Amino acid sequence: GAVVSQHPSWVICKSGTSVKIECRSLDFQATTMFWYRQFPKQSLMLMATSNEGSKATYEQGVEKDKFLINHASLTLSTLTVTSAHPEDSSFYICSARDIAGGTTYEQYFGPGTRLTVT
Amino acid sequence: AQSVSQHNHHVILSEAASLELGCNYSYGGTVNLFWYVQYPGQHLQLLLKYFSGDPLVKGIKGFEAEFIKSKFSFNLRKPSVQWSDTAEYFCAVPSGNTPLVFGKGTRLSVIA
Repeated sequence: GAVVSQHPSWVICKSGTSVKIECRSLDFQATTMFWYRQFPKQSLMLMATSNEGSKATYEQGVEKDKFLINHASLTLSTLTVTSAHPEDSSFYICSARDIAGGTTYEQYFGPGTRLTVT
Repeated sequence: AQSVSQHNHHVILSEAASLELGCNYSYGGTVNLFWYVQYPGQHLQLLLKYFSGDPLVKGIKGFEAEFIKSKFSFNLRKPSVQWSDTAEYFCAVPSGNTPLVFGKGTRLSVIA
């Protein structure tokens, strides 16, 4: 149980285009999903917290107009990288908390999406 | 806000050697503590977690961690590493209400 999927797993796009990444909780419901970014050989940096039915909360320094987050249902959150630039190339990872998880803070992580902007 | 320190950036061990990776968090109170592992080319997997109770936590693949409240530490241990343990290890704690904050990670290389 507690599986999170991401699609696509790997995407290459041209500079100036937009890319949408999907994050789904497959066997549980998640009111809250998180988007992280991981540069090569570095740790995960939280980008934003995605709340079902409301606006996402962005971390300091993350451009909300560039990284659009939509949490349309209890099992799906999307991250759209708009007007992508080569510096946006990174590994994007989503995670989700089980709505039935109570007060525990355990998150389940997706496999990640590697974005390369040429 | 909570922060996490992992002091070992890269650890190189021979097979069968014992492992201890350090993790310190910034402040006390009720804490939930996690260790995640990321094998080369794969996604994060939960190794073990501490919520309450016995401070010595057993995880998967022979890993364990000990929560020492007085030292704000949650070090990861394994008595005998294998080549397959080569991976990146991340300690994490919740910051505020929800999101996990990760340490910088420790790269473990196990050589034959």
